[in-house]
Amino acid sequence: GAVVSQHPSWVICKSGTSVKIECRSLDFQATTMFWYRQFPKQSLMLMATSNEGSKATYEQGVEKDKFLINHASLTLSTLTVTSAHPEDSSFYICSAEGQETQYFGPGTRLLVL
Amino acid sequence: DQQVKQNSPSLSVQEGRISILNCDYTNSMFDYFLWYKKYPAEGPTFLISISSIKDKNEDGRFTVFLNKSAKHLSLHIVPSQPGDSAVYFCAAEFSGSARQLTFGSGTQLTVLP
Repeated sequence: GAVVSQHPSWVICKSGTSVKIECRSLDFQATTMFWYRQFPKQSLMLMATSNEGSKATYEQGVEKDKFLINHASLTLSTLTVTSAHPEDSSFYICSAEGQETQYFGPGTRLLVL
Repeated sequence: DQQVKQNSPSLSVQEGRISILNCDYTNSMFDYFLWYKKYPAEGPTFLISISSIKDKNEDGRFTVFLNKSAKHLSLHIVPSQPGDSAVYFCAAEFSGSARQLTFGSGTQLTVLP
């Protein structure tokens, strides 16, 4: 089946630094990718929809300047958490829209100290 | 190696009847399970979850059953409505340090009027 990868799987950073997370569709092209955030024992919260070659669509309450999304190619979307703070610590997961269904990446655990 | 499996890619049910979606897992470390619903061109939305300390959780028309010995969970929707037509993903996580969500491949539910 289709595979979506995320890198890194774990990241620990200091407060104030920026962190970039990559989401790749490995064996299919994805014009649309989604970025989610999840807190422990809670559902995925859609942060933004990433469309190849155009600006991302952010959900209400998600700061565009805080969470920069770039979907530069049909197989790669990146999420950059700028000037990260401890409250940004979370589990970030992407998904890619395939022909028949949505394929999810394995997620990235971010811990901001 | 798929740790969470949804072996039925599609299911059709008559309106008003019960829909039963199944999910199997292989990793006995999983201790929390979730169901997501997804419409085309939209991100998945959380539906219902269950902890491994329970065997049943009910929320309105939706009930999730967990059989730990069989490593099996199911989502029951009753009565089914045409608006329930969507792709349903089950997901699993364990309370270890990784806290990754592992998703199944999804089941397309079609509720016929």
